[in-house]
Amino acid sequence: DAGITQSPRHKVTETGTPVTLRCHQTENHRYMYWYRQDPGHGLRLIHYSYGVKDTDKGEVSDGYSVSRSKTEDFLLTLESATSSQTSVYFCAISESRQGNTGELFFGEGSRLTVL
Amino acid sequence: SQQGEEDPQALSIQEGENATMNCSYKTSINNLQWYRQNSGRGLVHLILIRSNEREKHSGRLRVTLDTSKKSSSLLITASRAADTASYFCATGGNDYKLSFGAGTTVTVRA
Repeated sequence: DAGITQSPRHKVTETGTPVTLRCHQTENHRYMYWYRQDPGHGLRLIHYSYGVKDTDKGEVSDGYSVSRSKTEDFLLTLESATSSQTSVYFCAISESRQGNTGELFFGEGSRLTVL
Repeated sequence: SQQGEEDPQALSIQEGENATMNCSYKTSINNLQWYRQNSGRGLVHLILIRSNEREKHSGRLRVTLDTSKKSSSLLITASRAADTASYFCATGGNDYKLSFGAGTTVTVRA
């Protein structure tokens, strides 16, 4: 299994509080991604990173920010959590090359409940 | 919006039967990938097919790609109880991102 861990795995928080999810990899892969998974929607990309301090938005980035200060860590922050952000969040890593998106390796997910 | 859409949404088959699911997408791609997700777990990569390939096999899996119809199919032969999972197609372009469909839930009955 790819060395990728997410923390926390489960979190319950209240509306308006900040939340940070952490993704840590030991594979030294260049690309890291945050997806959210909701029933009927599959996985939707929130943000991704193509290197240290290099990030870009995905299709559902509103209300989320990310940071990548080291190759191995990719943080997802909800500045002020809302109930619509209740979801399962997945981190993924990839070593894509030559303009092709390669295989993604996923973490086990972080289940976030916003009350 | 999502790039890929799987059909059917759910599939129930008897152990030993074949399972076929389809994926349609909207824009040009570099490759198409299939993933499996067991309940409560992360996604696991199954197979990648490039845009210049038409068919690919991996064990009991067979994937086809028709770029003229913007569609792909995943066939699981001789299904087993352990194949019970959700299956997702994902399309990759030249932007190092994958766009996933909503998935097909497969139940294999003993």
